[in-house]
Amino acid sequence: ETGVTQSPTHLIKTRGQQVTLRCSSQSGHNTVSWYQQALGQGPQFIFQYYREEENGRGNFPPRFSGLQFPNYSSELNVNALELDDSALYLCASSPGARYTDTQYFGPGTRLTVL
Amino acid sequence: GQQVMQIPQYQHVQEGEDFTTYCNSSTTLSNIQWYKQRPGGHPVFLIQLVKSGEVKKQKRLTFQFGEAKKNSSLHITATQTTDVGTYFCAGRHNAGNMLTFGGGTRLMVKP
Repeated sequence: ETGVTQSPTHLIKTRGQQVTLRCSSQSGHNTVSWYQQALGQGPQFIFQYYREEENGRGNFPPRFSGLQFPNYSSELNVNALELDDSALYLCASSPGARYTDTQYFGPGTRLTVL
Repeated sequence: GQQVMQIPQYQHVQEGEDFTTYCNSSTTLSNIQWYKQRPGGHPVFLIQLVKSGEVKKQKRLTFQFGEAKKNSSLHITATQTTDVGTYFCAGRHNAGNMLTFGGGTRLMVKP
């Protein structure tokens, strides 16, 4: 059973650019959630995808968007990057979208915006 | 909005001492989960509590969920250097899918 993987590991972008981050969910999981973790803080929920549909969204602007594919892998897209977008982006997969389902986190993508 | 507060922010202990971190929500939680994040790593799931007043143990770790389902605690007995990391609580409100994390407690253990 493979765990959650994310790519790339690190990324450096400049303000105003666009970025796409990728996540492969754990085998057998159909739900992916994305989080932003600023340095020294707890992860903040961006959104969740369940069976290719957005299934809840946190307090993030529309320039944060996502996709989930038929194999349940997922992408996070961020347009018009701002300096404050510099953070660790984590995806977490779970076997379903029930509130009791355990989430398994990937290693994250460290994004630096200059 | 719905918030989850965690204290203390940092804790230094001597190896062998006990450690406790506390988590409080402004509103009732459907469940609470605890995660550990090592420096440079990602959050790793430790446990989930769902029932009011629930207590669960994992070796030296004891987790409690308050009667009102608004607070929780993690207690580590006789800390070891391998316990170093940041401990996060995370709760869901109204059986929703949004997991709200506390700010974490960073545990440092002096050998």
